[in-house]
Amino acid sequence: GAVVSQHPSRVICKSGTSVKIECRSLDFQATTMFWYRQFPKQSLMLMATSNEGSKATYEQGVEKDKFLINHASLTLSTLTVTSAHPEDSSFYICSARDARGVSTEAFFGQGTRLTVV
Amino acid sequence: GNSVTQMEGPVTLSEEAFLTINCTYTATGYPSLFWYVQYPGEGLQLLLKATKADDKGSNKGFEATYRKETTSFHLEKGSVQVSDSAVYFCALTGGSGGYQKVTFGIGTKLQVIP
Repeated sequence: GAVVSQHPSRVICKSGTSVKIECRSLDFQATTMFWYRQFPKQSLMLMATSNEGSKATYEQGVEKDKFLINHASLTLSTLTVTSAHPEDSSFYICSARDARGVSTEAFFGQGTRLTVV
Repeated sequence: GNSVTQMEGPVTLSEEAFLTINCTYTATGYPSLFWYVQYPGEGLQLLLKATKADDKGSNKGFEATYRKETTSFHLEKGSVQVSDSAVYFCALTGGSGGYQKVTFGIGTKLQVIP
């Protein structure tokens, strides 16, 4: 199957700093990528839909100025957690769909465990 | 809106035991149903899917049947192996959320001991 690479897999940062998470589709192009977040003992929740060449679409309750998304190419989307605080500590995971529309399947990265201290 | 409810783990089984992980859903219309698996240190992988009522998805010895009358999509395997240890997510697309958005269950951690 197609591969989505997410980096880093783990990051620890100090409160007040910013953290960038990258999501790359390695063997296909993705006009749309999705960012999810999972709190302990809760479901994966969609945060935003990243659209290549245009602004991301954020789900209700997600602060767009807090979670900056850039989808500058057909193979790369980035999520930047700005001025991180301990409550931002969570598991973040991205997914992407093949732009050719040949599959309804979404391919997922391995996720990023963010810890803000 | 759409929602998925699955049993909370962890589930611990001995090798060759029978596995059931329950999953029920709430959605309008005719959603597509999925089971994803996440092995340690890896991303989510599609395990199996079913797109209409009474369909049975199967892969690697795992099976799940789309039951519209009970709004369920329970995951089963007749004989688990240590290598099946992972987190399993039930999910759906469609219904009121559209087919781009995936709604996940909480995830169930399975641990298989030799």
